[in-house]
Amino acid sequence: NAGVTQTPKFRVLKTGQSMTLLCAQDMNHEYMYWYRQDPGMGLRLIHYSVGEGTTAKGEVPDGYNVSRLKKQNFLLGLESAAPSQTSVYFCASSYQSPDTQYFGPGTRLTVL
Amino acid sequence: AQKITQTQPGMFVQEKEAVTLDCTYDTSDQSYGLFWYKQPSSGEMIFLIYQGSYDEQNATEGRYSLNFQKARKSANLVISASQLGDSAMYFCAMREGLPLVFGKGTRLSVIA
Repeated sequence: NAGVTQTPKFRVLKTGQSMTLLCAQDMNHEYMYWYRQDPGMGLRLIHYSVGEGTTAKGEVPDGYNVSRLKKQNFLLGLESAAPSQTSVYFCASSYQSPDTQYFGPGTRLTVL
Repeated sequence: AQKITQTQPGMFVQEKEAVTLDCTYDTSDQSYGLFWYKQPSSGEMIFLIYQGSYDEQNATEGRYSLNFQKARKSANLVISASQLGDSAMYFCAMREGLPLVFGKGTRLSVIA
């Protein structure tokens, strides 16, 4: 039981490049979330999903897209990376809405 | 207006002493949940404790307890018998509706 895993752990991009972050969970959770963490800002929700095939916008969705084609996977895409997207990205999942969220180890992304 | 306010950017505590980390929240909902997470220097987010708005008793988990004062809209985390391993960032979060909203965190340093 690996819990929540994230790929990759580190990545450096140039402005304008694209990439996809992968989140996988093996706990059969319905809900999955993507957050970004910036210094002094806490965690802010980018997008979330309440089940396979569904996605919704969070607090800071601009510049990101997501897909939940399989229940266990939640992908975060950056189509044209910008320096403002330099951050640590966390994926989380929960069984249901009021339940505890379990976090992945994070992905540190730098956009030059 | 901020939904979650953590007024202490940094705290110091002597090993083996108790410490209280403050958290106030803002909501007009009757049903909500409050969470505390720990983020050590390694970066992962670790769930500590949960309090539901209808729970009459304060939540406790080992050395962690949540001092829930509903009328004052506060949900302070109390750590008893601090250990060096408790040095970390601590985030208060609220579930109001679906996703979690996080505070900006408090950095706790435990001194030997």
